[in-house]
Amino acid sequence: GAVVSQHPSWVICKSGTSVKIECRSLDFQATTMFWYRQFPKQSLMLMATSNEGSKATYEQGVEKDKFLINHASLTLSTLTVTSAHPEDSSFYICSARVPGRKAFFGQGTRLTVV
Amino acid sequence: DQQVKQNSPSLSVQEGRISILNCDYTNSMFDYFLWYKKYPAEGPTFLISISSIKDKNEDGRFTVFLNKSAKHLSLHIVPSQPGDSAVYFCAASAQGGSEKLVFGKGTKLTVNP
Repeated sequence: GAVVSQHPSWVICKSGTSVKIECRSLDFQATTMFWYRQFPKQSLMLMATSNEGSKATYEQGVEKDKFLINHASLTLSTLTVTSAHPEDSSFYICSARVPGRKAFFGQGTRLTVV
Repeated sequence: DQQVKQNSPSLSVQEGRISILNCDYTNSMFDYFLWYKKYPAEGPTFLISISSIKDKNEDGRFTVFLNKSAKHLSLHIVPSQPGDSAVYFCAASAQGGSEKLVFGKGTKLTVNP
């Protein structure tokens, strides 16, 4: 089946630095990828929709200048958390929708900002 | 405004018995529903889906039922196995599944040996 690979699986960074998370669709082309964030014991909250070759669409309340999304190719989308702060510590998950229905998810990235 | 609700944060069942996980939605535009299973510190794994043109979909031990009039769906797992212990998320989408997914808060299922 379709596979989505997310890297890194965990990262610790210092406050004020930037962190880049990659999301790759391994055996299919994904014109659209989604970035979610999950706080402990909470649901997955959609942050933004990443469209190949165009600007990402951000959900209300998500700072686009802080969470930079780039979808440069049909198999790669990146999320960069800029000037990270401890409150950005969370579990970030990407997904790619197979043309049709199902969304496949990456393994997730645990970000800890110290 | 929570459009997808999983009102039971946790459920505990005995191995071999049936697990029933419930999900309610409020948005009448939703026409495609999915269940995902998630282990700690991992991404969700797709389990089963159902389109609004159906009221039941079965895949092995997993069956999803959809009651459109009640805006309710449920996931049945039978027989339950200890390896099924995880958090289960219900998700819904509009436009035949082409719109973004909206997730419930999840139900933590524990299957006791």
